[in-house]
Amino acid sequence: GENVEQHPSTLSVQEGDSAVIKCTYSDSASNYFPWYKQELGKRPQLIIDIRSNVGEKKDQRIAVTLNKTAKHFSLHITETQPEDSAVYFCAASKGALNTGFQKLVFGTGTRLLVSP
Amino acid sequence: DAMVIQNPRYQVTQFGKPVTLSCSQTLNHNVMYWYQQKSSQAPKLLFHYYDKDFNNEADTPDNFQSRRPNTSFCFLDIRSPGLGDAAMYLCATSRDLDTQYFGPGTRLTVL
Repeated sequence: GENVEQHPSTLSVQEGDSAVIKCTYSDSASNYFPWYKQELGKRPQLIIDIRSNVGEKKDQRIAVTLNKTAKHFSLHITETQPEDSAVYFCAASKGALNTGFQKLVFGTGTRLLVSP
Repeated sequence: DAMVIQNPRYQVTQFGKPVTLSCSQTLNHNVMYWYQQKSSQAPKLLFHYYDKDFNNEADTPDNFQSRRPNTSFCFLDIRSPGLGDAAMYLCATSRDLDTQYFGPGTRLTVL
C-alpha cells in the first residue's frame, strides 16, 4: 500500500522567512496530493492541493510543487506569519473513478512554529 | 456556515460502555468518512460510505461500526470502548474524488 514520509517533523522559522515541508510517496499510481493545516484541537483544513497532471500550484503565499518522477511533493510558505504556526499534514491518494472516493494516506505531520 | 457538523464535541464514556458519535453535513456530498486521530498523529481512516455502500478498512477493529441512514447523517458506534480508543474522531465528506472537508471532531475520553 501507499506510504507517505514527511520531513521535517518540526520546523522553526522567524516571521517573514520562508518554510518548506517535503513529502515523498511510494505508489506511483497516486494522483492527488492535498496539504492540510491543523491548529491545536481543531479540524484539519485544506490549504492547497495538486493533481498529478500539474507540476506546481500557487495560492498567494502558499505553493505546492510535485515531481512525479522522484515521487515527492513540497509545500512552500513565503513571508511566514505567527498565525501560520500549526501542524501541517501532506497526503497522497490514488482515487479512481471506479471506486469513487479518495483514500488519503497522510504523512506524519510537521509542526511549524513561526516566531515574531 | 457550518458544513460538516459533529456532535458532541466532547464525549466521556466508561470502559466498555457503548458510545455513538454523529456527523451531519449540509454539502450534499455522497461520500462520508470516519477518521481516528490520536495525539500527535495523523488521521487514520476507519471506514467510509460511498452513497449507501459501506467500505471498511482492513485494519479497523470490529469494535467500530457505522451507520448512514441518509445522505446527510453518518454515525460511528463504538460497541465496547477501551482505553486505547480515546482519540479525536473526525468525520469528513467529499463529492466523489473531490476535496475532503473535515468536521470539527469529537474528542472521546474513556474512563
